[in-house]
Amino acid sequence: DAKTTQPPSMDCAEGRAANLPCNHSTISGNEYVYWYRQIHSQGPQYIIHGLKNNETNEMASLIITEDRKSSTLILPHATLRDTAVYYCIVARSPAGNKLTFGGGTRVLVKP
Amino acid sequence: GAVVSQHPSRVICKSGTSVKIECRSLDFQATTMFWYRQFPKQSLMLMATSNEGSKATYEQGVEKDKFLINHASLTLSTLTVTSAHPEDSSFYICSGSGTDTQYFGPGTRLTVL
Repeated sequence: DAKTTQPPSMDCAEGRAANLPCNHSTISGNEYVYWYRQIHSQGPQYIIHGLKNNETNEMASLIITEDRKSSTLILPHATLRDTAVYYCIVARSPAGNKLTFGGGTRVLVKP
Repeated sequence: GAVVSQHPSRVICKSGTSVKIECRSLDFQATTMFWYRQFPKQSLMLMATSNEGSKATYEQGVEKDKFLINHASLTLSTLTVTSAHPEDSSFYICSGSGTDTQYFGPGTRLTVL
């Protein structure tokens, strides 16, 4: 699986949009970009995933560059409960394939 | 999203004893389940992959005789930590493979005294 690079930490203001970058320059054509987050002492929570088109759901938006070498997760209106470690993971089609977690980005939402 | 449960959520045991952790997919069938381990301030590390009805596949460095995995049904996988030692104290997390992603359980914190 391709590796990802994320900033180790970032702060954002409550109510503002949080933009989390991820680089995955070695991504291959059949690999998806997944985003998960882990709130302290809990299991990871699925946020969103995409192959090459931008995606949006009730939690977030995922913007993937045309060359697929990087992506941005957007939390449109960050709340204090969004404070967590956010993991960007590149992996093949989900069924039965393992996910390799890197260091993630520790996001602190401040009032 | 799909729901995965783990039991127990927290367990404390004496060194040398065995501990069983259950992982259940509550509203979907998981042909494949994964077991991860997370030490404090570190990321999740995959321990093993289990497919229903077959033997688990262990990651390099994970002792298969120490961490026994059983995946007897499409909704239940168990991890047994045999002869636990203090260095096995960790946060153990399972996940089930759904149709479009993996769904994770809430984790089990194991403390070995």
